[in-house]
Amino acid sequence: KQEVTQIPAALSVPEGENLVLNCSFTDSAIYNLQWFRQDPGKGLTSLLLIQSSQREQTSGRLNASLDKSSGRSTLYIAASQPGDSATYLCAVYTEYGNKLVFGAGTILRVKS
Amino acid sequence: NAGVTQTPKFRILKIGQSMTLQCTQDMNHNYMYWYRQDPGMGLKLIYYSVGAGITDKGEVPNGYNVSRSTTEDFPLRLELAAPSQTSVYFCASSLSGVFYEQYFGPGTRLTVT
Repeated sequence: KQEVTQIPAALSVPEGENLVLNCSFTDSAIYNLQWFRQDPGKGLTSLLLIQSSQREQTSGRLNASLDKSSGRSTLYIAASQPGDSATYLCAVYTEYGNKLVFGAGTILRVKS
Repeated sequence: NAGVTQTPKFRILKIGQSMTLQCTQDMNHNYMYWYRQDPGMGLKLIYYSVGAGITDKGEVPNGYNVSRSTTEDFPLRLELAAPSQTSVYFCASSLSGVFYEQYFGPGTRLTVT
């Protein structure tokens, strides 16, 4: 059974810092990995989608990497801003069951 | 485009009552999904649909039913509500399954007392 773990569960950093959020998954049989942002009381917003054949994806100050063989992904946020404060979720699309399996998320707070 | 819309935003049910959570998307997506999110946990898939008339169970389908008569709508029915169904429910859609992003609605916060 696929399990997704995100570390740390919560992170508080001063504005301007570069930071890394970690995601690990137990079964490397995935089609892709997606990073989402969730603001309090809101739905999820897709940030980056990495296909299993890709190593990384970039969007603005965000960079996500994928190492499928070791079951790891990182989300790198450059020059963090208070507006980046949110919960970040990663999810893998499994080759079995036609579904996304989510981690519990990392709660990020960027202090001004 | 409105994207994925969900109604209601909030609802309180008594144990044993039933209700339908509505979900509509205007992006002509084939795939639609229902998830629940419990506090401090990731989302878990309840049901999904790959097109009108086709639905399948996800990870936690017990106590729920779905139907998909049109491409746009994917309602989730709760029969005989139980406290364990207290959660936030999200509907999502994607153009296809594997290679496309999922787009989420704003969620419905349901409390069963």
